[in-house]
Amino acid sequence: SDELTQPPSVSVSPGQTARITCSGDALASQYASWYQQKPGQAPLMVIYKHTERPSGIPERFSGSTSGTRVTLTISGVQAEDEADYYCQSAESSGTYRVFGTGTKVTVL
Amino acid sequence: EVQLVESGGGLVQPGESLRVSCVASGFTFSDYAMNWVRQAPGKGLEWVSYISSNSRAAFYAGSVKGRFTISRDNAQNSLYLQLNSLRAEDTAVYFCAREIVSGGGRSLDYWGQGTLVTVSS
Repeated sequence: SDELTQPPSVSVSPGQTARITCSGDALASQYASWYQQKPGQAPLMVIYKHTERPSGIPERFSGSTSGTRVTLTISGVQAEDEADYYCQSAESSGTYRVFGTGTKVTVL
Repeated sequence: EVQLVESGGGLVQPGESLRVSCVASGFTFSDYAMNWVRQAPGKGLEWVSYISSNSRAAFYAGSVKGRFTISRDNAQNSLYLQLNSLRAEDTAVYFCAREIVSGGGRSLDYWGQGTLVTVSS
């Protein structure tokens, strides 16, 4: 299957750590990226190639991988991190791109 | 500064056609592959289509294959998506996004603000 599965929601208190998982068979052979999307805005890439952070993205955002699962970790969560987060990869042959189901992060 | 600006969205009836466009600036457009991604109201992101930098390769999601056509004009720094035989389920904000390739990983590093396509009678 080329689907990428994420938990629908994650809740976290300010200053704590949020972990968002993304699972799918394609992740065994394809790199993943992560995007943050706030209401009414375009997605913003926060992690690429599993663990790389683009310029300008705070260090509290990090990525990790293990087998067919990747994880986005937000350390020291701030109120401004409340958003929807999507993982993205390519299907096994690398032809088609695929997005995860999305996770809403709520900062309590 | 990289900018992607979409246009061409609107209200159309089922079965009709529409072309959405994306104009790029701030980078060498002809060096990058491009994608269209859509988001239905209140739903998640759905990849729609990809086109290589030189237009030699184009791919489509199964949900739009045979109805949508992606194209680009590198001289005009423009990306297009022709939407034919539109259905109610095609209602969405359509984003264009630049693709980067890093060590085999494919990511969408810049996105436009999107254009809304509404299919309704």
